[in-house]
Amino acid sequence: EPEVTQTPSHQVTQMGQEVILRCVPISNHLYFYWYRQILGQKVEFLVSFYNNEISEKSEIFDDQFSVERPDGSNFTLKIRSTKLEDSAMYFCASSVWDRQETQYFGPGTRLLVL
Amino acid sequence: DAKTTQPPSMDCAEGRAANLPCNHSTISGNEYVYWYRQIHSQGPQYIIHGLKNNETNEMASLIITEDRKSSTLILPHATLRDTAVYYCIVGYTGTASKLTFGTGTRLQVTL
Repeated sequence: EPEVTQTPSHQVTQMGQEVILRCVPISNHLYFYWYRQILGQKVEFLVSFYNNEISEKSEIFDDQFSVERPDGSNFTLKIRSTKLEDSAMYFCASSVWDRQETQYFGPGTRLLVL
Repeated sequence: DAKTTQPPSMDCAEGRAANLPCNHSTISGNEYVYWYRQIHSQGPQYIIHGLKNNETNEMASLIITEDRKSSTLILPHATLRDTAVYYCIVGYTGTASKLTFGTGTRLQVTL
């Protein structure tokens, strides 16, 4: 069964550093998402992406965040200058054109900012 | 999006049916009910969704009341692998619809 994959599985970075989290969505999916989950808290929507542009973003997704689909397979989340409060599990998800309400999530990247 | 209310935790014996309730009294006419689950720290996993009719798939059944103000997710024969946090989410389907997760119900399946 096709899966969403994410790399790295864990990343440790220093405050102020830039990080790029990578995702490979399921190949025939057209809608892409990033969510995050701070330890012990809810899963929170960050951004959705379709047709090479952002469809919707949350208040969390400020100027420090950006997303990109640099080629036909990868979908990336960049955090320009990480803060301690960016420490969380980051999940990528994708969905197909006509079943966009059923989002397939990746295993997540655990980001720790020191 | 309408708000949902779920019990924080439930227990179920292995092999028995797990019935997970959800209240969504402010749901609007064209909002769907979705159920996802999250096993430990893995990515959420889609289970089932519905608008007003009861739905069944290989994982579960979804019973939506006639007034659509509440629903129940039924796992017919719970196994230890079904131990997870179950999220009831109400929202519109449409272009790149986001999912708004609440705190969910932590289901513990025991021997």
